[in-house]
Amino acid sequence: DIQMTQSPSVLSASVGDRVTLNCKASQNINKYLNWYQQKLGEAPKLLIYNTNNLQTGIPSRFSGSGSGTDYTLTISSLQPEDVATYFCFQHNSWPLTFGSGTKLEIK
Amino acid sequence: QVQLQQSGAELVKPGTSVKLSCKASGYTFTSNHMNWIKQTTGQGLEWIGIINPGSGGTSYNVKFKGKATLTVDKSSSTAFMQLSSLTPEDSAVYYCARDGMGILDYWGQGVMVTVSS
Repeated sequence: DIQMTQSPSVLSASVGDRVTLNCKASQNINKYLNWYQQKLGEAPKLLIYNTNNLQTGIPSRFSGSGSGTDYTLTISSLQPEDVATYFCFQHNSWPLTFGSGTKLEIK
Repeated sequence: QVQLQQSGAELVKPGTSVKLSCKASGYTFTSNHMNWIKQTTGQGLEWIGIINPGSGGTSYNVKFKGKATLTVDKSSSTAFMQLSSLTPEDSAVYYCARDGMGILDYWGQGVMVTVSS
């Protein structure tokens, strides 16, 4: 199984900050990497698919990049409504696997 | 708009089975595969398996083979997951999620299953 390692596990930042979340796969996943946002008590919501494609309706402050085994999610200007846990997810090979999440907090 | 409506919370006894449902609307049910995902505080998000509503074909995470059985009812656009021989380790929130070539784009609201005597 492909292991997905996210860092940091908790990130505290101020409104307006540029924040970067990291995700590392245990092997090459060929950019088949999605990012999900999960707010407390809600289902995960798709933000970015296939590394750098913004899902319809998602604010443009979210962006993704990466290749091979290393991927990042960037929020260009952190907003209060971005408080959530963010998960990366690989669909390069079965079983599909998720990272353990980065919990994003506001300072 | 695409919606996946899951059944309500379940409190079940160890050793029994439970069948969860996920009713799809807003798109052609047979056009997209359906995934099921387990979420716990300890293990995080785990992919259980996927079903092709058109053919009924399934693929499972080895970890959940024998535990989960995925089926569909095309007439009602509903996907089902049966969990058998339940133990407290099966207590979790379970989600269905529509698949668009690996992109789990729409998720149900989740259903909490609690296994307790």
